[in-house]
Amino acid sequence: GEDVEQSLFLSVREGDSSVINCTYTDSSSTYLYWYKQEPGAGLQLLTYIFSNMDMKQDQRLTVLLNKKDKHLSLRIADTQTGDSAIYFCAESGANGNTPLVFGKGTRLSVIA
Amino acid sequence: GAGVSQSPSNKVTEKGKDVELRCDPISGHTALYWYRQSLGQGLEFLIYFQGNSAPDKSGLPSDRFSAERTGGSVSTLTIQRTQQEDSAVYLCASSLNGEDNEQFFGPGTRLTVL
Repeated sequence: GEDVEQSLFLSVREGDSSVINCTYTDSSSTYLYWYKQEPGAGLQLLTYIFSNMDMKQDQRLTVLLNKKDKHLSLRIADTQTGDSAIYFCAESGANGNTPLVFGKGTRLSVIA
Repeated sequence: GAGVSQSPSNKVTEKGKDVELRCDPISGHTALYWYRQSLGQGLEFLIYFQGNSAPDKSGLPSDRFSAERTGGSVSTLTIQRTQQEDSAVYLCASSLNGEDNEQFFGPGTRLTVL
């Protein structure tokens, strides 16, 4: 079945860049997503990328997609303490409006 | 504007009791999803409603779990005869039926089964 894998923990110093990696198995995924979950809060969509794109940049966030290797990454430039959260990678199916398949989340800790 | 809301925010129950969790999606969103987030786990899909179509129940872990969506809006997730392994955060999401499938999540209901 579909599977999404990501490392569980990442620790960076404030001001450094963070790179969170994700691999997925469903080659028919149309969209790939990054969600952020702060303590005690629901999931917030950070960004998404369409499967025919290689890169998407949005302010401090850069998403890279290697479709051949089914590898997705999220780079956060100039990481701040407010970026401390759990980041979930998710993939959609081939059609819109299908349930997402999520990874287990990467807990990002930013050290001041 | 109002986002997805869920109630209660916290629920503590005894093993064997039934519980009902409520989700109010964003007005006009035709798709509604329930997920479960257990400690240290990712989000596990439970059930999905899309318009008037029959729901996709393929993620429900057992027949103790059921969900309804009345009038294409509010949804209730019911867990009968709760077990300790049902303890988790239950998240509801809705989407507009747009191609990009952006799902908006509620804050979740934290269920604790003693």
